Amino acid sequence: DSGVTQTPKHLITATGQRVTLRCSPRSGDLSVYWYQQSLDQGLQFLIQYYNGEERAKGNILERFSAQQFPDLHSELNLSSLELGDSALYFCASSPLGGGQGLYYEQYFGPGTRLTVT
Amino acid sequence: GNSVTQMEGPVTLSEEAFLTINCTYTATGYPSLFWYVQYPGEGLQLLLKATKADDKGSNKGFEATYRKETTSFHLEKGSVQVSDSAVYFCANSGGSNYKLTFGKGTLLTVNP
Repeated sequence: DSGVTQTPKHLITATGQRVTLRCSPRSGDLSVYWYQQSLDQGLQFLIQYYNGEERAKGNILERFSAQQFPDLHSELNLSSLELGDSALYFCASSPLGGGQGLYYEQYFGPGTRLTVT
Repeated sequence: GNSVTQMEGPVTLSEEAFLTINCTYTATGYPSLFWYVQYPGEGLQLLLKATKADDKGSNKGFEATYRKETTSFHLEKGSVQVSDSAVYFCANSGGSNYKLTFGKGTLLTVNP
């Protein structure tokens, strides 16, 4: 158990809908990262938040957004869902935000499996 | 930019066989390198890491050495077990060290 929790575990929804995925980082970790794992794209970094502020952005669609709250949990909002958004969405956390010459291990949650029908 | 290329799977071995999964990378700056493992139905777990050239990461009998001259970080294990069956991902943190770039993953199946 990594200490990172994600809810829900599974989500089935229809095209055009909007969903919210939730992540609670390990106690004391300030950084949260979101990744998408799909069969065709593999594991891709979406976005990082550090202590409530957006730190880095990856291949995140404009229909997707995220935020980190004062209690450090994070939510990933996916809207106008398409069939191609079906994937496993992972959240990871680390103590700090990284930086040149520094690295802090990322701990991954169990993921939320999103199925868009 | 940052990228990771790892050998295509699937890889099928018999128990106690030797394992190598190749991984090469490109990155700006001075990346840290990682191997993550994903067991069926679970999230990713960090298997081992190396943060600078010539470092060797090791865990649970797995090893990988950070080779800057060949930009490689190959995963090896001398004697695999059935319980090692999983998907293995090579990753690098690029030069900024805040996001991970993953390879496509290699499915390993170990038969008794």
